[in-house]
Amino acid sequence: ETGVTQTPRHLVMGMTNKKSLKCEQHLGHNAMYWYKQSAKKPLELMFVYNFKEQTENNSVPSRFSPECPNSSHLFLHLHTLQPEDSALYLCASSQDQAGRTGELFFGEGSRLTVL
Amino acid sequence: KQEVTQIPAALSVPEGENLVLNCSFTDSAIYNLQWFRQDPGKGLTSLLLIQSSQREQTSGRLNASLDKSSGRSTLYIAASQPGDSATYLCAVLAGANSKLTFGKGITLSVRP
Repeated sequence: ETGVTQTPRHLVMGMTNKKSLKCEQHLGHNAMYWYKQSAKKPLELMFVYNFKEQTENNSVPSRFSPECPNSSHLFLHLHTLQPEDSALYLCASSQDQAGRTGELFFGEGSRLTVL
Repeated sequence: KQEVTQIPAALSVPEGENLVLNCSFTDSAIYNLQWFRQDPGKGLTSLLLIQSSQREQTSGRLNASLDKSSGRSTLYIAASQPGDSATYLCAVLAGANSKLTFGKGITLSVRP
């Protein structure tokens, strides 16, 4: 496997459900990111992990809980979501966050629908 | 606060036309600028990365230029093809925490 892989690709959940999104990168990168993409809006940065440490939380509601067990894996745990949380959730990685020259690589995204 | 603007939001051209997609940003103190392509329902694919010290980058039929002083970048697509139809996003990397700011993208349709 190469690149950035996200699972599941599609997820439908009720507001009381608990689910998780998974991201795995095979690029040897040290920084991983969660972005939210909603219709008609620019990509919104949610969380950043650099060498497994969370370095940025962009005022994300606590119903979204990230987890980074190692530099290759990133999870987004979801609970008691709202319909307005329906969006495409994109994972990305780069060599490291501090690098000023780094290129960002994205996964295919997880399309989330909250009923 | 960095803002990235891409106008127009959508563009339709006939096949074979050379075209230019524009991107502007408000704070010229950037580290780099990256152009991405996104197909419907898919993730982003990196097309070109221009470092702040560079003026342009080329890959096949694509050429991206950067003018930091005026806060502008252009993506030039030569001899457009229907397969080029997608949304093109630009993003700038700036700030002490290396934050990437995206534009809303330009949805390109190339008609056969």
